[in-house]
Amino acid sequence: QKEVEQNSGPLSVPEGAIASLNCTYSDRGSQSFFWYRQYSGKSPELIMFIYSNGDKEDGRFTAQLNKASQYVSLLIRDSQPSDSATYLCAVKTDGATNKLIFGTGTLLAVQP
Amino acid sequence: NAGVTQTPKFRILKIGQSMTLQCAQDMNHNYMYWYRQDPGMGLKLIYYSVGAGITDKGEVPNGYNVSRSTTEDFPLRLELAAPSQTSVYFCASRAGQGDYEQYFGPGTRLTVT
Repeated sequence: QKEVEQNSGPLSVPEGAIASLNCTYSDRGSQSFFWYRQYSGKSPELIMFIYSNGDKEDGRFTAQLNKASQYVSLLIRDSQPSDSATYLCAVKTDGATNKLIFGTGTLLAVQP
Repeated sequence: NAGVTQTPKFRILKIGQSMTLQCAQDMNHNYMYWYRQDPGMGLKLIYYSVGAGITDKGEVPNGYNVSRSTTEDFPLRLELAAPSQTSVYFCASRAGQGDYEQYFGPGTRLTVT
C-alpha cells in the first residue's frame, strides 16, 4: 500500500512568519511530488511540483525534496492570512498516467 | 475557456438510487480523473481515462462506473447508492505526457441518506 503522510495540523503561524509543511511517502519509486492548496469548500489548485532532489523556489514558496529520506516539504515565506488553507501533498507513482496518491492535508492558519 | 465543469453542484440521494455525475472539459485534454474526498481526508482516485474509449480503475472503484466516449466528457455513474458514498467528488483533467498539472473542477457534494 503506497502511502503519503502529512500532519493534519492545524499549523498556526503569525503573519509574516515562515510556515513549514512536511510530507513523507512510502514508495521509493515515486517520481514527482506536488503541493496543492485547497481553500475550504473549493477544489485543489497546484502550487508547485518538484522531481529533483534539492530546493525549488517560486516566489514566496519553496519546495524541498530529499528522496533518500523520502521526504518533501513546502516552505511559505512571509505568510499572509490569505495563505490560510489546507495544503495537500501528492506523489506521482505511475509515469504514464500521472496517477497521484494524496496525503490527508495540513491545515494552515496564518494569524493576523 | 470554462476549464473543467461539473454538474450538479449538490445532490441528495436515497439509499439504492442511482445517478450520474457529469464532468466536461474544453481544453482538449487527453487525461481525465475522478476523485472523492471524504471530510478531513485527502483525495482518493476512483477511475481515470487516458483518452476517449480508454478507462481504468483507481484506488476505490467499487460502486462506480465510468465511460469516455468523447475527449470532452467523463461521466461517473453511481449504481445503488450507499451512505458510504457520501462525499465530495472532483473531476480533473491533464493535457498529456510532460504536462504535470491536473486541473480540477469545482466538485459535486453528494449525500446519501
